[in-house]
Amino acid sequence: GQQVMQIPQYQHVQEGEDFTTYCNSSTTLSNIQWYKQRPGGHPVFLIQLVKSGEVKKQKRLTFQFGEAKKNSSLHITATQTTDVGTYFCAGNSGYALNFGKGTSLLVTP
Amino acid sequence: GAVVSQHPSWVICKSGTSVKIECRSLDFQATTMFWYRQFPKQSLMLMATSNEGSKATYEQGVEKDKFLINHASLTLSTLTVTSAHPEDSSFYICSARTRVGTGVLANQPQHFGDGTRLSIL
Repeated sequence: GQQVMQIPQYQHVQEGEDFTTYCNSSTTLSNIQWYKQRPGGHPVFLIQLVKSGEVKKQKRLTFQFGEAKKNSSLHITATQTTDVGTYFCAGNSGYALNFGKGTSLLVTP
Repeated sequence: GAVVSQHPSWVICKSGTSVKIECRSLDFQATTMFWYRQFPKQSLMLMATSNEGSKATYEQGVEKDKFLINHASLTLSTLTVTSAHPEDSSFYICSARTRVGTGVLANQPQHFGDGTRLSIL
């Protein structure tokens, strides 16, 4: 079945540094979604990428979908303490989402 | 919009007890709801897909007699953990999906409830 790998598992940065998490699927995806889960909270939908090579931005967050629609990345520029949390990518298998293991981001001031 | 309410938030009960968790879509109709299980610092593991008016589809390795799912209406799905044991202790999260515009349903984002922390003593 479809597997979604996500790296790194953890990332610890100083406030102001950049951060990137990568997502790789074993199969071609119809779309990929990104979610953020704050400690003790539930996942919150951030964005969805559908088109090959698509790039979307939300303020300091840049999301990319690979040309082959098998990989994706989330890049945060100049991290802030409010960016702390676990970022999950989720590949769509047609009816359900397959979540990556997530990347836990810790930002120290 | 797209608010999902999950109740209860916390459950602590004795081994052998059955526990029911409710998932409601408050401001939209959810033809499909999903139930996930999440262990500490782990990813979300899909347990089952709940479709209104039909039987739930369980993922491989999930016991359907252990985790009973009922999706009786377009706004409510319930998960009942029957005869719970300590190994069933976990964080259970539901999500709901609805159609936005004319897009493919499978592409629609999921909206998550706050989750239920279940502790079996």
